[in-house]
Amino acid sequence: DTEVTQTPKHLVMGMTNKKSLKCEQHMGHRAMYWYKQKAKKPPELMFVYSYEKLSINESVPSRFSPECPNSSLLNLHLHALQPEDSALYLCASSHAVQETQYFGPGTRLLVL
Amino acid sequence: KNEVEQSPQNLTAQEGEFITINCSYSVGISALHWLQQHPGGGIVSLFMLSSGKKKHGRLIATINIQEKHSSLHITASHPRDSAVYICAVSGTSYGKLTFGQGTILTVHP
Repeated sequence: DTEVTQTPKHLVMGMTNKKSLKCEQHMGHRAMYWYKQKAKKPPELMFVYSYEKLSINESVPSRFSPECPNSSLLNLHLHALQPEDSALYLCASSHAVQETQYFGPGTRLLVL
Repeated sequence: KNEVEQSPQNLTAQEGEFITINCSYSVGISALHWLQQHPGGGIVSLFMLSSGKKKHGRLIATINIQEKHSSLHITASHPRDSAVYICAVSGTSYGKLTFGQGTILTVHP
């Protein structure tokens, strides 16, 4: 299995909702990443997990809460989002940090 | 000034043409990455290089560490090569990629 999967593919949520994005990989990678990408812009790093521990938080608002329950799974919990949070959320993994990253297809999020 | 600059921002080519996309960076790096993103979102890592040259099929990536410059070449371009090509560098911040703005490539049949 050489892919990163993300669910759901699309998500529409209101500003008072709580939802979660899920990312999974079975390549034995020990580093996992969340990125946010707005239209026609490059991805922006949000979080990096290394060996299931948060190693980088790029000053992301607390309405985004990451979780790494095990080495294969990465979640992003969403609460009280704003319309400007609408974007493509990409997950990636790598064997270790500083190595080639493998990206998932993304979850396209719309906040109403 | 961005830490990673790509040129051109947009590139249109006819099928079969040789294509070059350039990337310059201003920071110390441990590696440079070339990524491809098709409409719809998925990103594929094409190359990770820290010196010299790498080749995969019709794609060639080179890097000159002294000049802080990298190029991505596509030989015999094809409409399926149409995508956004993104240069990114990994530096001293462990696990963080700094991205260029991307080059939108359109190859016409």
